[in-house]
Amino acid sequence: QSALTQPPSASGSPGQSVTISCTGTSSDVGGYNYVSWYQQHPGKAPKLMIYEVTKRPSGVPDRFSGSKSGNTASLTVSGLQAEDEADYFCASYAGSSSLFGGGTKLTVL
Amino acid sequence: EVQLVESGGGLVEPGGSLRLSCAAAGFTFSNAWMHWVRQAPGKGLEWVGRLKRKSDGGTTDYAAPVKGRFSISGDDSKNTLYLQINSLKIDDTAVYYCMTDDYGGGWGQGTRVTVSS
Repeated sequence: QSALTQPPSASGSPGQSVTISCTGTSSDVGGYNYVSWYQQHPGKAPKLMIYEVTKRPSGVPDRFSGSKSGNTASLTVSGLQAEDEADYFCASYAGSSSLFGGGTKLTVL
Repeated sequence: EVQLVESGGGLVEPGGSLRLSCAAAGFTFSNAWMHWVRQAPGKGLEWVGRLKRKSDGGTTDYAAPVKGRFSISGDDSKNTLYLQINSLKIDDTAVYYCMTDDYGGGWGQGTRVTVSS
């Protein structure tokens, strides 16, 4: 199975909103409500930001939200802040495996 | 709070073996789906495999590139996840993380595996 497709980069100014897409197939993203999003700062371990498409773990700001339409999931970061600059990866359950996206580097201008 | 600590990485020659460990705390290990994920230098995240919670059968699944060479197991009495890696290849060089999305989610700090002659 191929990796999920993410744009390599995204950017926005402080206070703006940015949306990152994650495209799969009906065998992964479109077939299950098990999409997660992770934030990774340079040299650090990833951190869970969204799970089961829309759920936010305790402690994650409500500026982060997730959604899904068909085979594409999305992560929206509202009210961008400087500390949001990081790599973002999506992941999906895919039956007998799981898949990650290639990652999106979010730049806060 | 999920706490995960990996160990066991190192420098290994091609064809060699390693066993990575992941000590878990702060949650009920036997009730979580546990995953191994790796990240090659300068690259993205790659799912390696998982151990399902006991109530879901406690079975394992693996990514195609590692199937037959990697083996995941868990010891509930020690709250520890293992990754046995055999027939190591240069392309297996990466930081290996254990992680779970359950109980609020969490990742370890990673353990580095370098395969080189």
